[in-house]
Amino acid sequence: NAGVTQTPKFQVLKTGQSMTLQCAQDMNHNSMYWYRQDPGMGLRLIYYSASEGTTDKGEVPNGYNVSRLNKREFSLRLESAAPSQTSVYFCASSDPVTGLTTDPQYFGPGTRLLVL
Amino acid sequence: GIQVEQSPPDLILQEGANSTLRCNFSDSVNNLQWFHQNPWGQLINLFYIPSGTKQNGRLSATTVATERYSLLYISSSQTTDSGVYFCAVGRDNYGQNFVFGPGTRLSVLP
Repeated sequence: NAGVTQTPKFQVLKTGQSMTLQCAQDMNHNSMYWYRQDPGMGLRLIYYSASEGTTDKGEVPNGYNVSRLNKREFSLRLESAAPSQTSVYFCASSDPVTGLTTDPQYFGPGTRLLVL
Repeated sequence: GIQVEQSPPDLILQEGANSTLRCNFSDSVNNLQWFHQNPWGQLINLFYIPSGTKQNGRLSATTVATERYSLLYISSSQTTDSGVYFCAVGRDNYGQNFVFGPGTRLSVLP
């Protein structure tokens, strides 16, 4: 059981380049999330996917796109990277049960992205 | 949108001491979780606690939803407790649209 995995672990981009961050979970969770964490700050939700086939915007979606490829995989794409997108990106998954309780979120190890 | 505040922002303890971390939120929520981020950046869920009290070993948490705050208690602190503690709340879509607080940075000295 690997939990939540993210690739790559570290990436350097030039302004204007594009890239896709990959995330996969093997816990059969319905919901997946992408966050960014800037130095000395808490996490901010970029996008989340409540279930396969659905995606919703979080607090800071501008400049990003997401794809819920299947139940296991949720990717985050930067079409034209900007220095303001330099951050650590975390993927998470959970399995909320309607109206009752919500399972905790499990986080991946993070991807450090530097945009020059 | 909902606002989340955490206090204190920084806390330094001697090993063996107890501490209380606080999370205030500005609106009703249907999801509240506490997380620990260790010095290597790994995030671990500690509690899912939108209301009531839970305990897990030396850690316990209490949320008073009507008064919009949650408390995380750490007893007999150990150096491995060091890191940043985050509170996160959600209210839309079964509480999945999470908003994180700024965190409390805890340093436990040997």
